[in-house]
Parts: sequence; structure tokens; C-alpha cells
Amino acid sequence: AQSVAQPEDQVNVAEGNPLTVKCTYSVSGNPYLFWYVQYPNRGLQFLLKYITGDNLVKGSYGFEAEFNKSQTSFHLKKPSALVSDSALYFCAVRAHGSGNTGKLIFGQGTTLQVKP
Amino acid sequence: GAGVSQTPSNKVTEKGKYVELRCDPISGHTALYWYRQSLGQGPEFLIYFQGTGAADDSGLPNDRFFAVRPEGSVSTLKIQRTERGDSAVYLCASSLGTRFPPTDTQYFGPGTRLTVL
Repeated sequence: AQSVAQPEDQVNVAEGNPLTVKCTYSVSGNPYLFWYVQYPNRGLQFLLKYITGDNLVKGSYGFEAEFNKSQTSFHLKKPSALVSDSALYFCAVRAHGSGNTGKLIFGQGTTLQVKP
Repeated sequence: GAGVSQTPSNKVTEKGKYVELRCDPISGHTALYWYRQSLGQGPEFLIYFQGTGAADDSGLPNDRFFAVRPEGSVSTLKIQRTERGDSAVYLCASSLGTRFPPTDTQYFGPGTRLTVL
């Protein structure tokens, strides 16, 4: 069965410091991996995705994520956090292969709090 | 351009009533998804449309839930005999869907918050 784990309910960082939001996954076959951000009372906004190729993926708003196949991880990172980055972040996976209809499996979400 | 829109933004109903939730996808997107997000949880897949047909409805929790997309654009999620446990935010997403299975990015609407009293 496919699954995604976000081991931290909340991550706290000071503005200007680097941030990491962790994600590990379990799928049979090659994964497609996604990060979305959700602001209060709003839908999910796409940040970035890994399909194939370079393990380091760059996305919107200065975020990047590193795909690590051996550790089955796809951690979200940003070199310098902003207060406006404070939001709820979701990692999601979609398995590649026959029978896959493209549905996303989401983690539980991690709240990022950036303090001035 | 316009993103995915959903109406209503909020819906309050009484237990046992029927509700319809509407999703208007991005123009030209052939793939459409419904998800349900309960408080403190990540979204959970309900159903996927490719064009007018439901290609995967494995996430619908029971036969009280039904969705249609008659013209391959707007979709309506219908819930009969609502229960308090149906209270959640219902999210719609669309993608280009030019390949099957679709490997493109899903873009989400703002959601409909359903409250069943």
C-alpha cells in the first residue's frame, strides 16, 4: 500500500534561518512526489514536484526538495525562511505504473511556524 | 487565468439532508479529482474523472456519495442522507490529463466546508 509520513506535526524556525520539513514515502514502483502548501481557509497551492531526473528539485517561493531513493525521502527545504512561509505543508505521492489513476496520497501535514 | 473554483464556499446542513457541491475546473483540463479533508488531516482521495467518465471511484466511502461530470467540465459531488461524520472540507482539483494515467500537476480549488448539524 502507498503511504506518506510527515514525522513532525510542527516545525519552528527563526526568520532568516534554513528550514527543513521532512517527508518519507512508501510505494511500489517509482514514485512521483509533490509538495503543496495550504494557507488558512484556502486550498492547496502547488510548490514543486519530482518526476524523474535531477534529485534536487527547485520550486516556487525559493523552496526546493531533495529526492533520496535509498532513504525513500523527499524533504522540503529553504535556505532562508520568511515569516510569510508560515503555513501548513503537505507531502504527497503518486505511484508510477499500470493501474495508477493519478490519485495523490497525502501525508498528515506539517505546520511551519517562522518567528521574526 | 482563472483557477479551480468551488461553490458554495460553506454549506451548513442538517443530518439526513441532501447536498450538492460544485467544482469548475481550469479551462481545458480533462482530469478532475475530488478529495475530502477532515480537520487536522491530509486530503483523502474520493473520485477521479477523465473527461465525462469516472475512471476511479475507489475513494467514495459509501453509496451515499456520488459524483457526475456530464459534459466533461463542471463536476458535482452529491451526498445523500448526510451524517455528522461527513463534515469536512471537500476539495476539487484539476489537471491537463493529457496522458493516462495522468502524470501532470493537480491544481486545487479553495474547497467547500461542509458542516452537518
